[in-house]
Amino acid sequence: NAGVTQTPKFQVLKTGQSMTLQCAQDMNHNSMYWYRQDPGMGLRLIYYSASEGTTDKGEVPNGYNVSRLNKREFSLRLESAAPSQTSVYFCASSEKGPTGNTIYFGEGSWLTVV
Amino acid sequence: GESVGLHLPTLSVQEGDNSIINCAYSNSASDYFIWYKQESGKGPQFIIDIRSNMDKRQGQRVTVLLNKTVKHLSLQIAATQPGDSAVYFCAETLTGGFKTIFGAGTRLFVKA
Repeated sequence: NAGVTQTPKFQVLKTGQSMTLQCAQDMNHNSMYWYRQDPGMGLRLIYYSASEGTTDKGEVPNGYNVSRLNKREFSLRLESAAPSQTSVYFCASSEKGPTGNTIYFGEGSWLTVV
Repeated sequence: GESVGLHLPTLSVQEGDNSIINCAYSNSASDYFIWYKQESGKGPQFIIDIRSNMDKRQGQRVTVLLNKTVKHLSLQIAATQPGDSAVYFCAETLTGGFKTIFGAGTRLFVKA
């Protein structure tokens, strides 16, 4: 059981380039999330998808877009990367909303924008 | 604004001792709290949770205490082992919401 799988694990981008982080879960979860983690700060929610077909902004959505492709997959796109987007990105999922439901995280994607 | 913070950024304990990691939260409306463990190079892993209608919950070697009066959360790890070395995050959320707020984390070092 793979859980939450995200790719790529490492990526270096030049300022202005675009890229998509892919995420898939095999637990038949309804809710999926994208977080970023910066040194000395807690995880911050970028976007989430409460259920298939819906997406909503989190705490720090600027510069990102998401697509809930189907129940399994939730991708995060950077249209024009900026150095401020250098971070570790985590995809996560839960059966329903986070209250009372364990959130399962992927292994992370290390993104550097130069 | 809403925030979740930690009193101690690092904690060093001797193997076999008990560890206590503390956390403060500022949103009195939060009603669900979670502790996560994050090992180097990996994603956070759920440890234990507690709802606001409880003040204590025990798991295997871990206990979470919630003091709503002073908005304080703690994680106690009994008989700390080298495998417990990691960063520990507390987090808070509101029932029905999707925006979990995470603290910055405390790094736990276990000395053999």
